[in-house]
Amino acid sequence: DTGVSQDPRHKITKRGQNVTFRCDPISEHNRLYWYRQTLGQGPEFLTYFQNEAQLEKSRLLSDRFSAERPKGSFSTLEIQRTEQGDSAMYLCASSKDGGPDTGELFFGEGSRLTVL
Amino acid sequence: GENVEQHPSTLSVQEGDSAVIKCTYSDSASNYFPWYKQELGKGPQLIIDIRSNVGEKKDQRIAVTLNKTAKHFSLHITETQPEDSAVYFCAPYHYNQGGKLIFGQGTELSVKP
Repeated sequence: DTGVSQDPRHKITKRGQNVTFRCDPISEHNRLYWYRQTLGQGPEFLTYFQNEAQLEKSRLLSDRFSAERPKGSFSTLEIQRTEQGDSAMYLCASSKDGGPDTGELFFGEGSRLTVL
Repeated sequence: GENVEQHPSTLSVQEGDSAVIKCTYSDSASNYFPWYKQELGKGPQLIIDIRSNVGEKKDQRIAVTLNKTAKHFSLHITETQPEDSAVYFCAPYHYNQGGKLIFGQGTELSVKP
């Protein structure tokens, strides 16, 4: 068990470019979450998957954001036409079946996005 | 939806002192109360949690107490050590939130040697 892995750890891009982040959850974890964290704030929920099904999306997830988990294993989060306000740490977490009260969320170390 | 507030936002203590962080929530249906610790450059990590049928839970130097009537719960760290320096988040939960945790804004704890 190597923990939740995120790639890349850092991404610097110019406004208007597209970026994609990848998350590899702990094996056999069926739930996968994406959160966004800005400096001095707590993580904000973006979306989560149960296996390959995307069960909930936050209103924070504008139409420029899309997340997938095609085979129920790794997930990608794509941001199109990036804006400076997208600069943040993007955190991925995974857990076993059930809600957060039935299984601990294990977070990755995050992917830091800087939009110039 | 759940409104979560943490106090204080920053806390500085001397090594060996105790630290207390309070989390106030709005949803009286919340029945699961975790605390997460985030060290610099890392993701949050669960350190202790409590359920609504229990008033207090201890794990070595850390404890969590719950006051459901007043809708707040607190993290207590005794005999603080420099490695306790981190940002701490509460995330009260009820299944009506779906699968998501709603985190407080965080408390930055600094333990001075």
